[in-house]
Amino acid sequence: GEDVEQSLFLSVREGDSSVINCTYTDSSSTYLYWYKQEPGAGLQLLTYIFSNMDMKQDQRLTVLLNKKDKHLSLRIADTQTGDSAIYFCAEKDFNKFYFGSGTKLNVKP
Amino acid sequence: KAGVTQTPRYLIKTRGQQVTLSCSPISGHRSVSWYQQTPGQGLQFLFEYFSETQRNKGNFPGRFSGRQFSNSRSEMNVSTLELGDSALYLCASSPGQFYSGANVLTFGAGSRLTVL
Repeated sequence: GEDVEQSLFLSVREGDSSVINCTYTDSSSTYLYWYKQEPGAGLQLLTYIFSNMDMKQDQRLTVLLNKKDKHLSLRIADTQTGDSAIYFCAEKDFNKFYFGSGTKLNVKP
Repeated sequence: KAGVTQTPRYLIKTRGQQVTLSCSPISGHRSVSWYQQTPGQGLQFLFEYFSETQRNKGNFPGRFSGRQFSNSRSEMNVSTLELGDSALYLCASSPGQFYSGANVLTFGAGSRLTVL
């Protein structure tokens, strides 16, 4: 199957920017996604990007896609304690979704 | 618009028992996918149903099965439970059509299964 990799942990201070990285192996991915999971909850879609785009911005979120290197990143500006959660990247190939293992973001006050 | 509803939210079973989990998708969504989430293995794909047919399947043993009804509601069943089946089981629905753009998955809150 396809391989989606993320680092497991990231710790930042409130007010700083957070950058969560993801690499994937499937060059035929059509869409790539970022989901957020808060404790005790399911996954909530944050944003997604079409594979022919390089960047997408949505308020405090910026997604960068380097298709050549198969690298996806999520930048959260002005990180708040409420952003503490697990962040999953995912890719879609045809109608199958492949998820990374999740990056746990800890925001220190 | 109601979200994805999973029942029960929590359950405790003992080894050897079987369990059935239910998922009601967003109205109009025809695809339902199931995932197992554990701390060690992350999010593992179980199977996907579309219009009452299993369309995709992950690498789980035959003890894990599912079905989808004509109203798109889905159930998954795990027989002969093992300790390692303790996990959060997540259901996600989507419109499900091929080539339908992003075809975003919308997740339920999950069913947390504990096997003793």
